[in-house]
Amino acid sequence: DTAVSQTPKYLVTQMGNDKSIKCEQNLGHDTMYWYKQDSKKFLKIMFSYNNKELIINETVPNRFSPKSPDKAHLNLHINSLELGDSAVYFCASSPRGYEQYFGPGTRLTVT
Amino acid sequence: AQSVTQPDIHITVSEGASLELRCNYSYGATPYLFWYVQSPGQGLQLLLKYFSGDTLVQGIKGFEAEFKRSQSSFNLRKPSVHWSDAAEYFCAVAISNFGNEKLTFGTGTRLTIIP
Repeated sequence: DTAVSQTPKYLVTQMGNDKSIKCEQNLGHDTMYWYKQDSKKFLKIMFSYNNKELIINETVPNRFSPKSPDKAHLNLHINSLELGDSAVYFCASSPRGYEQYFGPGTRLTVT
Repeated sequence: AQSVTQPDIHITVSEGASLELRCNYSYGATPYLFWYVQSPGQGLQLLLKYFSGDTLVQGIKGFEAEFKRSQSSFNLRKPSVHWSDAAEYFCAVAISNFGNEKLTFGTGTRLTIIP
């Protein structure tokens, strides 16, 4: 069983489009996260949700909007995509205790 | 704010040789420390973690790490590397903030294994 899954794995789209990435975890964790990994492999947290409540919102353009329909799911919607949004986006989940478990990533390419 | 430094961007070692990857953190108190590994095209896998107690922690795949408070370091070691260890390695620190825990990652060290 996949613990943290993301769809799609690859996403190629044009500037100005709106796209969503979905994340699901079957670990029973309360907290979920979105990270962005840039072309230099640098990982930065974007958002975290705890039991469907937004906890962390780093300095991210408001074109990015996370949505958590339940504590097992955390989706990321991106409006008006820009070239600089091209990156690998990782979802993660965590029990209370800090260690985080990551999904396989979604490689977003904006052309 | 906390920060993590991995001074080595790229390390090359021979298969069977020993390995040490360096990690230094900046934080006033004892942080929670982690090492993650990312194989090409994959997500991040937790290798090991340090919360408290014994400063030498064992992880998966034969890795270990030692927390040294005096040096603000948490270096990762393996006595004998295998070709499958070639990957990107990330050190991370987590700070508790009343439920707003988040990981801050280092910039990563790319490990290449040569025969």
